Amino acid sequence: GQQLNQSPQSMFIQEGEDVSMNCTSSSIFNTWLWYKQDPGEGPVLLIALYKAGELTSNGRLTAQFGITRKDSFLNISASIPSDVGIYFCAGRGQGANSKLTFGKGITLSVRP
Amino acid sequence: NAGVTQTPKFRILKIGQSMTLQCTQDMNHNYMYWYRQDPGMGLKLIYYSVGAGITDKGEVPNGYNVSRSTTEDFPLRLELAAPSQTSVYFCASSFQIVAFFGQGTRLTVV
Repeated sequence: GQQLNQSPQSMFIQEGEDVSMNCTSSSIFNTWLWYKQDPGEGPVLLIALYKAGELTSNGRLTAQFGITRKDSFLNISASIPSDVGIYFCAGRGQGANSKLTFGKGITLSVRP
Repeated sequence: NAGVTQTPKFRILKIGQSMTLQCTQDMNHNYMYWYRQDPGMGLKLIYYSVGAGITDKGEVPNGYNVSRSTTEDFPLRLELAAPSQTSVYFCASSFQIVAFFGQGTRLTVV
């Protein structure tokens, strides 16, 4: 089946720093989504990308849909302590019955 | 607006017991999903439904059953709980692509 690769599993940054996360796949995806999961909560949608090359911002977050349609990245600028959590990428492949595939997530820690 | 509601939030089961995890959504979404989340492993799809009366297996369906008698409800049934089913379970719903998640049920099988 389709797989999404997110690495590393954990990232540690200093408050105020920018951080970038990648998500890659061997398959083409038509939609890329980025979710954040706070401890003890369900994932919440951050950004949705629907078109190759699309660059979308949501406050301090910026995400891009790769031109090859096999990757996406998420940037967080000027990190703050509440940015801690698990960041998941998700993609939907081609075909009407294609389902969302999730990456394994990256746990972000922000040191004050 | 409640969104996706899961009950219970926590549960401890003994090996061999059965239980039903409840999930309901009030957004009139046609698609509903059950995922399990294990540490460092992301979200694995257990079962999904494209509408009332229609269900299908995901990546890891063994040991689980589902039903979808209404648009709103999508319960997940564990018939014979096993320690390998210790996990956090998330229900989600979507109209098209974007999935909205419940807060999860943390299940421990001892």
